Amino acid sequence: GENVGLHLPTLSVQEGDNSIINCAYSNSASDYFIWYKQESGKGPQFIIDIRSNMDKRQGQRVTVLLNKTVKHLSLQIAATQPGDSAVYFCATPTGQGNTGKLIFGQGTTLQVKP
Amino acid sequence: EAQVTQNPRYLITVTGKKLTVTCSQNMNHEYMSWYRQDPGLGLRQIYYSMNVEVTDKGDVPEGYKVSRKEKRNFPLILESPSPNQTSLYFCASSWAGTGPYEQYFGPGTRLTVT
Repeated sequence: GENVGLHLPTLSVQEGDNSIINCAYSNSASDYFIWYKQESGKGPQFIIDIRSNMDKRQGQRVTVLLNKTVKHLSLQIAATQPGDSAVYFCATPTGQGNTGKLIFGQGTTLQVKP
Repeated sequence: EAQVTQNPRYLITVTGKKLTVTCSQNMNHEYMSWYRQDPGLGLRQIYYSMNVEVTDKGDVPEGYKVSRKEKRNFPLILESPSPNQTSLYFCASSWAGTGPYEQYFGPGTRLTVT
């Protein structure tokens, strides 16, 4: 079945540096991926998504890269700010069709040092 | 304000005492889901609903029930709570137009079963 996993449980970066959060998936048929951000004490928040017909997608200060060959995706945050401190989850749909059924990775905690 | 609300936010109960956690969204979203979040396990989907009267099991449905009688509400019912259901619970909703995976999460309900 589908599975997603994050490589590092915790990532610590200096304010202003770029952050890279990695995620691997197991099902080569997975064709859609989503990144969520969860700040302390809050529910997750949608950041950005990417479909398998794309290698790269950019948002505001964030870029998601998808490497289908090695079944890996990454979330890059440019010029990391203290407000970026959060847990980041990758997720992918599971099952047939657009059911709303999602599977999440365990999450990477990003710590931004001032 | 567009939002997903959950009640209660905190609940301490005893084993076997039936409880309901309510979830309501004001965005006219078709899709709704319930998740539980446990340390080291990330977010796991309990149940999801594609529309009124259409619900299906997620990855961890045992011990839970849901109903979707109205589009805006998606209550989570624990008929006989047990200590292993102690967790942080999130409700989420999404709009079919943008796909069911851009989910809006509620603030969470922290449940303790003693």
